[in-house]
Amino acid sequence: GENVEQHPSTLSVQEGDSAVIKCTYSDSASNYFPWYKQELGKRPQLIIDIRSNVGEKKDQRIAVTLNKTAKHFSLHITETQPEDSAVYFCAAIRAYSGAGSYQLTFGKGTKLSVIP
Amino acid sequence: ETGVTQSPTHLIKTRGQQVTLRCSSQSGHNTVSWYQQALGQGPQFIFQYYREEENGRGNFPPRFSGLQFPNYSSELNVNALELDDSALYLCASSLEGKDTQYFGPGTRLTVL
Repeated sequence: GENVEQHPSTLSVQEGDSAVIKCTYSDSASNYFPWYKQELGKRPQLIIDIRSNVGEKKDQRIAVTLNKTAKHFSLHITETQPEDSAVYFCAAIRAYSGAGSYQLTFGKGTKLSVIP
Repeated sequence: ETGVTQSPTHLIKTRGQQVTLRCSSQSGHNTVSWYQQALGQGPQFIFQYYREEENGRGNFPPRFSGLQFPNYSSELNVNALELDDSALYLCASSLEGKDTQYFGPGTRLTVL
């Protein structure tokens, strides 16, 4: 099955600096890669996603890049703020046959701390 | 916030008991997935329901079962609870044929 590796497991940055989180996946059939932010005690919140027909996507301070050949994708957060502190999860979709059957495989998460 | 809700928020059970967790999907979403998130880990896929039928299952034993109702609400049932079942259980809903999933707030299950 699909396997998603995520690095680093913890990341501390100074406020205003950039943060980069990297993920690799194993299943070349995966074609949708969402990123979720999870604050302590809260639900995973979708922050950005990318599909395999796109190499890069940006939304304000957040960007995601995808390298299908190397099977890795990355989350970039610029001008970090204290409220960016949370656990970030990457995921990959492995689509089964049949309508609507999509299984998310998650990485183990990166705990980002933004130091004021 | 998504329109996905879950109940209860917290639950404490003892080993061997059975538990039922509930999820109400976002309006119009007819696909629901359930995930188990152990402390410090990423969510792990349990199974998915589409049009009231199981439509994909992860590496979980048969004592994990589910139901989806015509109004798109759903249940996760776990029989013969084990200590390792202690986790946050998340449901996520999505539109038919769409891969984007929106998560509920989760149910924290503690098995003693």
